[in-house]
Order: sequence, then C-alpha cells, then structure tokens
Amino acid sequence: GAGVSQTPSNKVTEKGKYVELRCDPISGHTALYWYRQSLGQGPEFLIYFQGTGAADDSGLPNDRFFAVRPEGSVSTLKIQRTERGDSAVYLCASSLTGGFGAFFGQGTRLTVV
Amino acid sequence: GQQLNQSPQSMFIQEGEDVSMNCTSSSIFNTWLWYKQDPGEGPVLLIALYKAGELTSNGRLTAQFGITRKDSFLNISASIPSDVGIYFCAGQLTGSGNTGKLIFGQGTTLQVKP
Repeated sequence: GAGVSQTPSNKVTEKGKYVELRCDPISGHTALYWYRQSLGQGPEFLIYFQGTGAADDSGLPNDRFFAVRPEGSVSTLKIQRTERGDSAVYLCASSLTGGFGAFFGQGTRLTVV
Repeated sequence: GQQLNQSPQSMFIQEGEDVSMNCTSSSIFNTWLWYKQDPGEGPVLLIALYKAGELTSNGRLTAQFGITRKDSFLNISASIPSDVGIYFCAGQLTGSGNTGKLIFGQGTTLQVKP
C-alpha cells in the first residue's frame, strides 16, 4: 500500500484477555517500529525490527508484550493478560533503513475494560 | 521513558500570526524531526534536520537544528486554521550502533482562531 496500515483501528477487550495488533509497513521499508501513545503524551518507543529480527526491544514494558515480524514485512504486536493500564493508542512506523525519520500508521486504539 | 522537553505546551493564536515552538534535550541527537498529529491519526512528518546548525523550510514552516545538537525549533508563519493540531519534536540517533528509534517531546497543542 501507499502508507503504513494498522488493523484494527479500535479494539475493546476485557481485562485478562489476549490481543493482537497488526501493522503492514510501506513496501520495501526494512525498519519497523512500534510505539505507544497515552492521552496527552508523545509516542513512547516499544520495539524496533530491522528485517525479521528485533534489533531493540528495550521499550517493551514487561514480558506480557511481544512482537514478531516473521517475513520481514507485516508485524504483529501481541499483548497477553491485558491490564487496564495497557489502554493507549499503539502506533506503528516504518522507514527505509532505520534512519531519516519514520512514517506512521493511523494507530490502533486499545481499550481494556 | 525518556522524553524531550517541548514548549510551550499549548498556544492559542489569531489566524495570520506567526508561531514558534522549541524542543530541548539533555542528550545529543544527530537527527531532529518535527511531526504534526491530528485527532485520530498518526503523526505526519513535516521536516527532518540532519546537520547541526541546519535551517530547513517546508512552505510556511521553518525548522532549525541547534548547534549544540541538543535543541531544535519550529516556526510557522502566517498561520491558517488548518494548522490546528498537536506538533511533536523527535530526536533520533542514527548510524553504526544505533537503532534509529525516535524520542518524542510531549507535544505543543496549537489552536488558531479565524
């Protein structure tokens, strides 16, 4: 596609459930990032992929969060045993090589009730 | 997590006025970026700066990469109603040994009165 695509746009889930958020980056972009944005804040880094491998996962808050990018294109962010504090907008971004800025998707708004 | 200090937090201005906002960091970056975010959307890249001291324009927008590499400013001239939104600065470290992750400021909310 022309831009970064994220699905679903909105996700409401019950506390304790498992969720998956999908990101389809710009074609040909090898670098992919996940960010989390809470209300009134700037995006905070979660994890960075270069190709298929997670080159930096230092932003993942705990072991309930995991992300994969098995073929170096689409990525899935997985959250286990969701908590109300996980509610936020999850943003995905991609860039050509990992530098020179990044292009963001529209985000997935996750609400844990 | 680490964030940049962005100011002001919000601005309410008259259409046609010029706007200035800035961003400071305790750490050095080798790239500074400015993004605009509308409600329900992801941030959109406005300007990217790659060299200390660099001054770059994009239409009515002008941004500078501070000489110390720890700050940047964004100016918007002759504001119009569609400039309304939240503006974020972001610092990035690129090159060998760096992942290129972006560190964001808290945002400046701009409102323009017609």
